[in-house]
Amino acid sequence: QSVLTQPPSVSAAPGQKVTISCSGSSSNVVNNYVSWYQQLPGTPPKLLIYENNKRPSGIPDRFSGSKSGTSAILGITGLQTGDEADYYCGTWDSSLSAGVFGGGTKLTVL
Amino acid sequence: EVQLVESGGGLVQPGGSLRLSCAASGFTFSSSAMTWVRQAPGKGLEWVSSLISSGTSTYYADSVQGRFTISRDNSKNTLYLQMNSLRAEDTAVYYCAKGGMSSSGLDYWGQGTLVSVSS
Repeated sequence: QSVLTQPPSVSAAPGQKVTISCSGSSSNVVNNYVSWYQQLPGTPPKLLIYENNKRPSGIPDRFSGSKSGTSAILGITGLQTGDEADYYCGTWDSSLSAGVFGGGTKLTVL
Repeated sequence: EVQLVESGGGLVQPGGSLRLSCAASGFTFSSSAMTWVRQAPGKGLEWVSSLISSGTSTYYADSVQGRFTISRDNSKNTLYLQMNSLRAEDTAVYYCAKGGMSSSGLDYWGQGTLVSVSS
């Protein structure tokens, strides 16, 4: 299983808000930056959030990131059907000297 | 415009070798950390390997340590992944990405190249 733990799936209605959690430990989430990626079906992943809470140019402010202790959170407001995708958190693990991803969360917009 | 174009994937028998390439353009390649990430069919993302801009420091997942070698040619703006002793479980789409997991994330990704290991 993955070093970072994400819920396998989340769902919400269009226009609503959803949060996706990413749980780790002191060797990864606590002491390193967390990034979030969106993977639409059949496409490469896309960076949504970096350095815990920063959005790259072109990413709408409906997407937000936060971190507290051993957990990071991705928030998405004003859900759209186009947000249906797999979402992954990622960071560096200082004990492993390796990059790590969460197992991914499938978002369904009902 | 940043572009990352992977090549070199294909079908290989168990125990065989492949070398993946990633041609980069649209940014200062020599100043960027680079990373390989793979995704097995129907599965999640798996970090494979990273190296810093100078290429002097490299990092590998335990699953590929000793079998895969990451390298770069800054004069050709190209990233490589030499894969030896391939196993069925190495079957995946391999993505080249700009950046590293410890800093500002992987901000650009290639389209990926499929590696299939089967007899």
